[in-house]
Amino acid sequence: QVQLQESGPGLVKPSQTLSLTCTVSGGSISSGDYYWSWIRQPPGKGLEWIGYIYYSGSTYYNPSLKSRVTISVDTSKNQFSLKLSSVTAADTAVYYCARGILDTAMVPYFDYWGQGTLVTVSS
Amino acid sequence: SYELTQPPSVSVSPGQTARITCSGDALPKQYAYWYQQKPGQAPVLVIYKDSERPSGIPERFSGSSSGTTVTLTISGVQAEDEADYYCQSADSSGTSPVVFGGGTKLTVL
Repeated sequence: QVQLQESGPGLVKPSQTLSLTCTVSGGSISSGDYYWSWIRQPPGKGLEWIGYIYYSGSTYYNPSLKSRVTISVDTSKNQFSLKLSSVTAADTAVYYCARGILDTAMVPYFDYWGQGTLVTVSS
Repeated sequence: SYELTQPPSVSVSPGQTARITCSGDALPKQYAYWYQQKPGQAPVLVIYKDSERPSGIPERFSGSSSGTTVTLTISGVQAEDEADYYCQSADSSGTSPVVFGGGTKLTVL
C-alpha cells in the first residue's frame, strides 16, 4: 500500500519561501508510471493543483503559479519537494502531495494522497 | 482560464439517489474524475475516466458523461456519503492540464 507523508514548517513569514517535502513509502518514486504532484486547499475553499514532477526530473506547473514554484525529486530518499517563493496570506492552505497517473490525453489524476499539512503565512 | 462548474450543494434523504453535475466546454474531449472529501481528510478518488470505479469504492458510486456535462451518481445514499465532491478535468488546449470544479457539498438529510 502506497503512503505519502508531507513534512515542513507550519508557519511561514510573508515574502519568504515555503518549503515542503513528501516522503513516499510502499512503492518506488522511480517506478516510471507516476507523476508526483502537489495540490493545495485554502481553508474552507476548493482544490488547486500546483504542479507535478516525473522521477526523471521533468516538471509541469500550474500556469498561475509557475513563476513562484519549484518542484524537485530525490530518488535516493524516495522524496519529492515543493518550494513556493514570495508567499502571501493568500498562500495559506492545506498542502497535499499526491500520486498522479496520466490518462491518454496526458492529464493526471490522483489515486493516492498524503494526509495534508496546513501552512499558514503570517508575520 | 478554464472552469468546471458544479452546484454548491445537493441534498438527499437516505436511500435516495444523489446526482452531482459538473459542466465544462472541454468535457466532450477530456476525461473527468471525481473525488470525495470528508471533513479533515484528504480527497479520495471515487470515479476515474468518466465512469470507472477504483477498487474498494462501493458500487453505488457511478459516473456518466453527456456532452459538456458529467454526472456523479450515488444510488441508495448512506449517511457516510455526506461529504464534499470535486470533479477534475483539463482544458482542451493543454494550457491547464489539471482543473478542479468548485466542489459540491452533499448533505444527507
